[in-house]
Amino acid sequence: DTGVSQDPRHKITKRGQNVTFRCDPISEHNRLYWYRQTLGQGPEFLTYFQNEAQLEKSRLLSDRFSAERPKGSFSTLEIQRTEQGDSAMYLCASSLEVGATYEQYFGPGTRLTVT
Amino acid sequence: AQSVAQPEDQVNVAEGNPLTVKCTYSVSGNPYLFWYVQYPNRGLQFLLKYITGDNLVKGSYGFEAEFNKSQTSFHLKKPSALVSDSALYFCAVRSLTDSWGKLQFGAGTQVVVTP
Repeated sequence: DTGVSQDPRHKITKRGQNVTFRCDPISEHNRLYWYRQTLGQGPEFLTYFQNEAQLEKSRLLSDRFSAERPKGSFSTLEIQRTEQGDSAMYLCASSLEVGATYEQYFGPGTRLTVT
Repeated sequence: AQSVAQPEDQVNVAEGNPLTVKCTYSVSGNPYLFWYVQYPNRGLQFLLKYITGDNLVKGSYGFEAEFNKSQTSFHLKKPSALVSDSALYFCAVRSLTDSWGKLQFGAGTQVVVTP
């Protein structure tokens, strides 16, 4: 169990550019979540995958955001035409809902700065 | 809608003294409750959870939490704080009726343990 990994750890981009983040969940986990965390706040839910199916999207996820999880393995989160308000920490989490194991395990996050 | 309140932005405690971090929640139906800790520039680390059963749950690093259904609270406690416990603590709730499992987080409480 190597934990959840995210790449890159930091991304600085200019407003209007597109960015893509990658998340590799714990290998046997079937559920994958994306959250966004801004300074001084707790993480906010963005979207959820069960295997390769994207089953829920938050209203925070505007049309500029898209997420995929091909083959139910790693996931990508793309932001098109970035805006300064997109600056945040983007967190990925995975879980395996078996028995009473409902906790989500988080990656280190990708910190996005839009200039 | 579900929500979590952490009424204290910061808790200061001397090393060796008891530590309490407060959390109250609002959710439809029975809750699943979680505590996470976040160190600077890191993802969230799972500490403990309440799913069902005994109201006092024990977790990692000597932390425990007490579920109180009548007061809708889930306070985090540690009998003797360490300087290394200084970090940002998040309470999170999930409704049993939410099959997708997304977490609703509080705004976080900064814990400062002084030597």
